Amino acid sequence: NAGVTQTPKFQVLKTGQSMTLQCAQDMNHEYMSWYRQDPGMGLRLIHYSVGAGITDQGEVPNGYNVSRSTTEDFPLRLLSAAPSQTSVYFCASSYSGSHTEAFFGQGTRLTVV
Amino acid sequence: AQKVTQAQTEISVVEKEDVTLDCVYETRDTTYYLFWYKQPPSGELVFLIRRNSFDEQNEISGRYSWNFQKSTSSFNFTITASQVVDSAVYFCALKESWGKLQFGAGTQVVVTP
Repeated sequence: NAGVTQTPKFQVLKTGQSMTLQCAQDMNHEYMSWYRQDPGMGLRLIHYSVGAGITDQGEVPNGYNVSRSTTEDFPLRLLSAAPSQTSVYFCASSYSGSHTEAFFGQGTRLTVV
Repeated sequence: AQKVTQAQTEISVVEKEDVTLDCVYETRDTTYYLFWYKQPPSGELVFLIRRNSFDEQNEISGRYSWNFQKSTSSFNFTITASQVVDSAVYFCALKESWGKLQFGAGTQVVVTP
């Protein structure tokens, strides 16, 4: 099994450009989420989904959109990139139960210039 | 409001010393789950342990041990006889019954030979 796969691993964007970070999991997990990691701030939840067709906002949702059309995929869209969105992005998935641990992708390092 | 506090930003030790990482959490739920993750310099997030709120037994896994105390809302992590390979950022995380996983800011552990 591949687990959680994120693409790309690295990306440089110009301010105002749009892009989609891809996330796919092959573990049939209901719960998927996106985090951003910034120095000294841990991982902060951007958006999450409890199943296909259901998404909700996390702690820092502004500037990001998500959709969940299938169980496997949970893309994160930046509509108009800003330098403040320079960060490392992690996608995670887990079974829906609260007790289960999350499995993380390898991360995407995004730089907005 | 931050619900997971890791007050130690960085801890430096010499190989074979013990190191204890503090984690204090805040929740109103009676059912919740606590996690520790390791992030080595390569950047991936590695699950270490899960503990539910009903199980206050301490746990030992090799050189790792965890001390969960509900009375002080703490879930501390000790590495015994540290090794250079233990150098990483360690995150404590809390998942409440509604499933969002919230992270502390992380503690950087530096082990020198």
